[in-house]
Amino acid sequence: DAKTTQPPSMDCAEGRAANLPCNHSTISGNEYVYWYRQIHSQGPQYIIHGLKNNETNEMASLIITEDRKSSTLILPHATLRDTAVYYCIAQGTTGKLIFGQGTTLQVKP
Amino acid sequence: GAVVSQHPSWVICKSGTSVKIECRSLDFQATTMFWYRQFPKQSLMLMATSNEGSKATYEQGVEKDKFLINHASLTLSTLTVTSAHPEDSSFYICSAPGASGIENIQYFGAGTRLSVL
Repeated sequence: DAKTTQPPSMDCAEGRAANLPCNHSTISGNEYVYWYRQIHSQGPQYIIHGLKNNETNEMASLIITEDRKSSTLILPHATLRDTAVYYCIAQGTTGKLIFGQGTTLQVKP
Repeated sequence: GAVVSQHPSWVICKSGTSVKIECRSLDFQATTMFWYRQFPKQSLMLMATSNEGSKATYEQGVEKDKFLINHASLTLSTLTVTSAHPEDSSFYICSAPGASGIENIQYFGAGTRLSVL
C-alpha cells in the first residue's frame, strides 16, 4: 500500500470548513483513498473513500486530484465534536489498513 | 453502518497472567478481522490478520506465541495476551471489513485498554 503524508496538526474555527490535505504520490491504480478519524480513546471511524472521482456523503467531501497524487478531506462546517486525529490511507486489495501519524484537527470555538 | 463490539473495554491484570479480548461483528459476518495496538500518543499498529477457520497472519515483529488469535466463527475473533507484562499495556483495537471485494470499509471496535501491573 502506498505511503501517505499528512500535516501533523491543524486548527479550524468552529462553523468553518476544515480542509485536510493528504499526499499519496506513489498510489497505484487499484488503490483507494480512505479517510478515518479517531476521537480520543475510541476506535477509528470511517469517514469516506474514493478512487478517482470526488465523493460526498453526510459527513464530508473528498476531493482527489486528477493525477491521484493527493487528496483533500473537507468537513464543511466543523464542530467541536470533529476534534480528532484524521487518517488518510491508501488501501490496496489486501484489506489491511496501514495507519500513518495522521493529522490532529483541533476545532476551536 | 455495521457494528463491531469489543469486550472488555478495560482490563487490569497482574503480571504473568493471560487476558482474552473478544471482537464480534454484530450484524454481519466477517471471515477476516484485524487486530491493532496503540500506545499513548502514537498511531495504530497492525498486529495481525485473523482468518476464520485458519491460522492468523502476523505482522513482522509480532510474537505469535505471545498474542494468540482465534477466529472460530464468522462473527467472533479473540486475542489472548499470554503471560502479560507491563510493556504489554496498551490500547488494543479490532476491525472487520463490512463487505468483501476491493472496496472494503473497515468497522472498528471501541477498543480495549489493557493495564498490566
